[in-house]
Amino acid sequence: SYVLTQPPSMSVAPGQTARIDCGGNDIGTKSVHWYQQKPGQAPVLVVYDHSDRPSGISERFSGSNFGNMATLTISRVEAGDEAGYYCQVWDTRSDRVVFGGGTKLTVL
Amino acid sequence: EVQLVESGGGLVKSGGSLRLSCAVSGFTLSSHSMSWVRQAPGKGLEWVSFISTSSSYIHYEDSVKGRFTISRDNARKSVFLQMNTLRAEDTAVYYCARHMSLPTQLESAPFDYWGQGLLVTVSS
Repeated sequence: SYVLTQPPSMSVAPGQTARIDCGGNDIGTKSVHWYQQKPGQAPVLVVYDHSDRPSGISERFSGSNFGNMATLTISRVEAGDEAGYYCQVWDTRSDRVVFGGGTKLTVL
Repeated sequence: EVQLVESGGGLVKSGGSLRLSCAVSGFTLSSHSMSWVRQAPGKGLEWVSFISTSSSYIHYEDSVKGRFTISRDNARKSVFLQMNTLRAEDTAVYYCARHMSLPTQLESAPFDYWGQGLLVTVSS
């Protein structure tokens, strides 16, 4: 089955740039979506189709996808960005939605 | 305002059944595919099941195949998840999620709206 691999955690200082990786076999051929989830809340879509943002999402959130790695980039990190982040794709071979294991972002 | 409201969760014994409902408002349900996604306590997100706009396409995560059944009633603006033969490992918060309506994507469309989540606890 298709597997998406994310680092379990990372930390960044306010004002710096956070880059969260999501590794998967030929993920560059798939549409990748990213979600932010804060404790006790439902996930929120922050980036879809590699690099598009839903309305209302800050332009500080961006994405890229090439080869075997997709990346969510959060520029000028703020305390409010502290959350879990999940990547997600649709695997056509197994007909299932696949989520990465999630990355907990800590703002120092 | 788009809203998805889940109901029907609770505590059930292993081997028992529950039927989750997701009532939607603020958009036309028949224009969107829907999914159920769950999250075990302290764990990550896990997709459970997908249903297309007219129920023509239905998919399940392997661990729930044969036990869970997804359905929808567009006229009643509701999506359902019938869960049978429940196991302790099915314990989780269950989310109803809407797939974005994109012209070139069906199952691969992202989840643009989520319900607040519903706790299902299966006791062994």
